Amino acid sequence: QQQVKQSPQSLIVQKGGISIINCAYENTAFDYFPWYQQFPGKGPALLIAIRPDVSEKKEGRFTISFNKSAKQFSLHIMDSQPGDSATYFCAASSDTGRRALTFGSGTRLQVQP
Amino acid sequence: NAGVTQTPKFQVLKTGQSMTLQCAQDMNHNSMYWYRQDPGMGLRLIYYSASEGTTDKGEVPNGYNVSRLNKREFSLRLESAAPSQTSVYFCASSVTFKGNEQFFGPGTRLTVL
Repeated sequence: QQQVKQSPQSLIVQKGGISIINCAYENTAFDYFPWYQQFPGKGPALLIAIRPDVSEKKEGRFTISFNKSAKQFSLHIMDSQPGDSATYFCAASSDTGRRALTFGSGTRLQVQP
Repeated sequence: NAGVTQTPKFQVLKTGQSMTLQCAQDMNHNSMYWYRQDPGMGLRLIYYSASEGTTDKGEVPNGYNVSRLNKREFSLRLESAAPSQTSVYFCASSVTFKGNEQFFGPGTRLTVL
């Protein structure tokens, strides 16, 4: 049972455009929602994370929007650059339920120059 | 600091052979994890160790065993490799188990013929 559903599977954006990746979760006990970035041949690295007490978190060009009632969260990359081309994973975990991170299936982003 | 290191980087096995994947971290983290990454399926948790001396099954533990040798080291063993275990394996660590950034190693690409 996939508890975190991620879309789209792949995304092509022009340089300077906005990249949007969406995730939906099922387990209402989830209370930590990170996004990881992975370049080819490397391990994933934390990009940005949010907890459900806020609806939005921004770090530079990267923003997480969180909708608790809809059980959805999304990553927005503003002014997308070719260096942002990577695979992005959303994830979720529950502190109270002692559940480790559950990852989405990933989105391969390609930013064209 | 080297962060999280994994050996080997690449490995080819024949069906039925056994091998151990090694992982070490130098960040004094309490929690360590083993994931496998397959195309279109994101990262799936195999086993984790919330703290030294404890190990727990993740989402896909069948066919694997783990050992938390000490605080630094967490190994993954395949007793009798199968082609379905062809994958990229990542080790990760975090300060504690709950809601903290996980730091990933560079991965081991395993092929089972």
